[in-house]
Amino acid sequence: DAKTTQPPSMDCAEGRAANLPCNHSTISGNEYVYWYRQIHSQGPQYIIHGLKNNETNEMASLIITEDRKSSTLILPHATLRDTAVYYCIVRVKGDSGAGSYQLTFGKGTKLSVIP
Amino acid sequence: DSGVTQTPKHLITATGQRVTLRCSPRSGDLSVYWYQQSLDQGLQFLIQYYNGEERAKGNILERFSAQQFPDLHSELNLSSLELGDSALYFCASSVLQTGGEQFFGPGTRLTVL
Repeated sequence: DAKTTQPPSMDCAEGRAANLPCNHSTISGNEYVYWYRQIHSQGPQYIIHGLKNNETNEMASLIITEDRKSSTLILPHATLRDTAVYYCIVRVKGDSGAGSYQLTFGKGTKLSVIP
Repeated sequence: DSGVTQTPKHLITATGQRVTLRCSPRSGDLSVYWYQQSLDQGLQFLIQYYNGEERAKGNILERFSAQQFPDLHSELNLSSLELGDSALYFCASSVLQTGGEQFFGPGTRLTVL
């Protein structure tokens, strides 16, 4: 799986959009970008994933650059409850039974939402 | 609430002992994953089971073993415990064997004294 690079920490004012960048310059054509977050010692929580098109769900938006070498997770209106470590993971989505499909977590970005 | 349950929530034991951690996946999920999170190593994948069969192994020590039962719950057995095994142990489940969308349980905090 391709490696990712994320800033170790970021601050965001409550109510503002939080834009979390991720660099994955060695991503392969069949690898997806997944985002998870972990709120202090709780189990990680799936947020969103995408291949090359921008994606949006009720939690966030994912913007992937045209060359797919980087992406940005956007939390449109950050709240205090969004304070967490955010992990960007690149992984083969897989549609065959072969191989292993575990998630490889890096150090992530610690997002602090400030009142 | 992810729908994944783990017991116990906390476990305190002594070096050299053996413990069993239990995980019940979300209803309908066939795949179970175990992860270890320690302060110095971060979140690390240990092992995956799919419908009762081992599918993938990560950084799992030989002292650790796991299994998935016919009712799809899974157990992680840790033996000859060392101080360094103190960590949070998470179980996750997914519908597919290849699931990138994994649902994590609340974890078991293991303290080895």
